[in-house]
Amino acid sequence: QSALTQPSSVSGSPGQSITISCTGTSRDVGITSFVSWYQQHPGKAPRLLIYEATKRPSGVSSRFSGSKSGNTASLTISGLQAEDEAHYFCSSYSGSSSVLFGGGTELTVL
Amino acid sequence: EVQLLESGGNLVQPGGSLRLSCTASGFTFNTFAMTWVRQAPGKGLEWVSTITGSGGSSYYADSVKGRFTISRDNSQNALNLEMKSLRADDTAVYYCGRSKLSWSGMDVWGQGTTVTVSS
Repeated sequence: QSALTQPSSVSGSPGQSITISCTGTSRDVGITSFVSWYQQHPGKAPRLLIYEATKRPSGVSSRFSGSKSGNTASLTISGLQAEDEAHYFCSSYSGSSSVLFGGGTELTVL
Repeated sequence: EVQLLESGGNLVQPGGSLRLSCTASGFTFNTFAMTWVRQAPGKGLEWVSTITGSGGSSYYADSVKGRFTISRDNSQNALNLEMKSLRADDTAVYYCGRSKLSWSGMDVWGQGTTVTVSS
């Protein structure tokens, strides 16, 4: 199974909003609400930002939001801050009792 | 404090074996599914294996199926990953993580343990 498709990099200025897409297929993203988003700073473990496509764990800023339409999930970060500079990964349950990750997106805050 | 702590990473020769462990604390271990995720140097995340809270069901990525075995000891709050027939492309940082459901997001991660497969 192929990894989910994410843009390799995105950038934005402080205060702006950016959206990272995560494109799968009708065998994974398209058939499940089990889509998650993670943030990873260099040398650190990933941190859960969004689960079940749109839900935010307690302690995660409301600046992070998730959505899903068809085979594509999206993560939007509003009010960009310097500390948002990191790698972002999506993941999705795949119908064959497995999980796929996206290749990751590097966010640069200009 | 909710915490996961991995151990067991090491340098191993191709074809060798290794056992990783993940010790949990601060939460009711048997009510969470547990997952191993790895990250090769400079690469993205790769799902490896998941086991249900009871340990009754386990799932594997095709890349490790037949070589890796996930298990848990709920009496010891411990998760294990037995790895055999290791290959160079198994070289990675291995993270353990918990999730309320097998396929929902992993809300707590360990710090990772490094496995290097090289002669």
